[in-house]
Amino acid sequence: GQNIDQPTEMTATEGAIVQINCTYQTSGFNGLFWYQQHAGEAPTFLSYNVLDGLEEKGRFSSFLSRSKGYSYLLLKELQMKDSASYLCAVRDSDYKLSFGAGTTVTVRA
Amino acid sequence: IAGITQAPTSQILAAGRRMTLRCTQDMRHNAMYWYRQDLGLGLRLIHYSNTAGTTGKGEVPDGYSVSRANTDDFPLTLASAVPSQTSVYFCASSDGAGEGGTQYFGPGTRLTVL
Repeated sequence: GQNIDQPTEMTATEGAIVQINCTYQTSGFNGLFWYQQHAGEAPTFLSYNVLDGLEEKGRFSSFLSRSKGYSYLLLKELQMKDSASYLCAVRDSDYKLSFGAGTTVTVRA
Repeated sequence: IAGITQAPTSQILAAGRRMTLRCTQDMRHNAMYWYRQDLGLGLRLIHYSNTAGTTGKGEVPDGYSVSRANTDDFPLTLASAVPSQTSVYFCASSDGAGEGGTQYFGPGTRLTVL
């Protein structure tokens, strides 16, 4: 099984940078995903890492270290619309996802 | 292309009643999943299906059943609802490995069992 930890809440100012950390313990690792979920809506895919290193997609970047069981999601140039929950999810060798409880990010003007 | 649709959007149900949540995808994805999301607990896998005709149990399967008669549909049934099944239910689908194995979620069903 998987044990996935991420902070419950974070607050940042518009235009700033926020880093959301995720640590995991896994019995079989087959990729790590980050999802964004606005209140009352479905999760939407943000990023995927399977090899160590940084993946950049516009204002969002995600990093993975498999040896440390660690990932982070970096949100740059924060906008008000980035206020949401961010979910870290680890995929196992059977292609099933296990999710962390999510980090609620609040962006303040 | 609709992606994934779920019905109903929300439902209030008396305890002991039977309820089926519907999920349909038009992306021809092989794999489909049912999750429940509860405050502070995140998304938890109830049941999954890797391909039509097969199903498997997830982390919290008790009290739920699924079927996968074809590629597009994956209904979730609560045989006799209990208040602890009050939750938001999300259906998801995916196809392939790597980033192609990304799961895409439906809009969710908010279920309240009284």
